[in-house]
Amino acid sequence: QTVVTQEPSFSVSPGGTVTLTCGLSSGSVSTNFYPSWYQQTPGQAPRTLISTTDTRSSGVPDRFSGSILGNKAALTITGAQADDESHYYCALYMPSGIWVFGGGTKLTVL
Amino acid sequence: QVQLQESGPGLVKPSETLSLICDVSGVSVNSVYYWSWVRQPPGKGLEWIGYIYYTGSTKSNPSLKSRLTMSLDTSKNQFSLKLSSVTAADTAVYYCVRGLYYYWYMDVWGKGTTVTVSS
Repeated sequence: QTVVTQEPSFSVSPGGTVTLTCGLSSGSVSTNFYPSWYQQTPGQAPRTLISTTDTRSSGVPDRFSGSILGNKAALTITGAQADDESHYYCALYMPSGIWVFGGGTKLTVL
Repeated sequence: QVQLQESGPGLVKPSETLSLICDVSGVSVNSVYYWSWVRQPPGKGLEWIGYIYYTGSTKSNPSLKSRLTMSLDTSKNQFSLKLSSVTAADTAVYYCVRGLYYYWYMDVWGKGTTVTVSS
């Protein structure tokens, strides 16, 4: 069974830059998996940040960017702000036609 | 503006069937989208449950496939989920979500509804 891996937690200083990654337990993530990223604050529904690797959703600040780094998908936050403190989930669209979410990364801004 | 709203019983007994409906506004469920369900157990991450395509074809998480039924009601502009033989492990917030064909991501989320499985 395919497992999508994310760092469980990460911290960044206000104004700093952080890169969260999204990998596969077996194999490499490429654009063919259409990586997408979602932000979730406690008690709220997820919000879509990034689709198809690097396309920001409407209204998402340009400090959020997506890419492929090595064999993983990546979400980079440049100039982190206090309200970026959230859980971040990636999702990959598998060749079998199903989506699989990563376990999520809890980002702390301090 | 596209909006999705989940509804259904908040409490289901073990071994019974969990039934949820998602009301869709601002777009027809006959449009080319994947009408999806995602759940989140308390304190845990997101789990993709499955989708129903506008044609009525479905795709499910292999771990849930044997218990899952999804359907579309075009007359009411709704789609629904039924999960049979539930256990405490099915306790979660359930979200209905719109998925995009070709771009393969989920762009509009409902607010979620909490379902507890308990006797």
